[in-house]
Amino acid sequence: RKEVEQDPGPFNVPEGATVAFNCTYSNSASQSFFWYRQDCRKEPKLLMSVYSSGNEDGRFTAQLNRASQYISLLIRDSKLSDSATYLCVVIANNNDMRFGAGTRLTVKP
Amino acid sequence: NAGVTQTPKFRILKIGQSMTLQCTQDMNHNYMYWYRQDPGMGLKLIYYSVGAGITDKGEVPNGYNVSRSTTEDFPLRLELAAPSQTSVYFCASSRLLYNEQFFGPGTRLTVL
Repeated sequence: RKEVEQDPGPFNVPEGATVAFNCTYSNSASQSFFWYRQDCRKEPKLLMSVYSSGNEDGRFTAQLNRASQYISLLIRDSKLSDSATYLCVVIANNNDMRFGAGTRLTVKP
Repeated sequence: NAGVTQTPKFRILKIGQSMTLQCTQDMNHNYMYWYRQDPGMGLKLIYYSVGAGITDKGEVPNGYNVSRSTTEDFPLRLELAAPSQTSVYFCASSRLLYNEQFFGPGTRLTVL
């Protein structure tokens, strides 16, 4: 089993749709979690951190489920500009850091 | 602020050649990282540095070397390039270890 797993997609959704991605991790000692966004042939950029209590930033909501060892990213009211690959990052308490391979999202008009 | 800059943007190497990928950041970050990204794979950490003069291996360090003589610069050296090193290389920096990393635009390297 991979240490960090994401459904590669692609997720094809219409504008205005709500879409959610999960990222599962195998190390139960994982402590810090992030979502990054990567546009085609560009560098990753931090989208948001994932806090234990969950957090929201505009149309984006990130949540952590420690019992089932996954984090999620929910995007409401999808825009064309949300089309990108979404990478999760999981960091264990020994500072072992792993990136997921990413989930590709395409929002269509 | 330019953020994190990398040179070159593209490079083609022959097997056995050597090269240095340059990375500079102007945010006064102590932590810097080198990653490689292969198609369909997550970013793999090659080396990282917690400050000038201090570097450590990441997940995939074989075939690479780094140095950190200043806070701003963190070059990655490839010795004896191999086709397996064909990849996109990203440099990143952060204020805290692994926290909110800022990435450079990447270097696309092909080894033939």
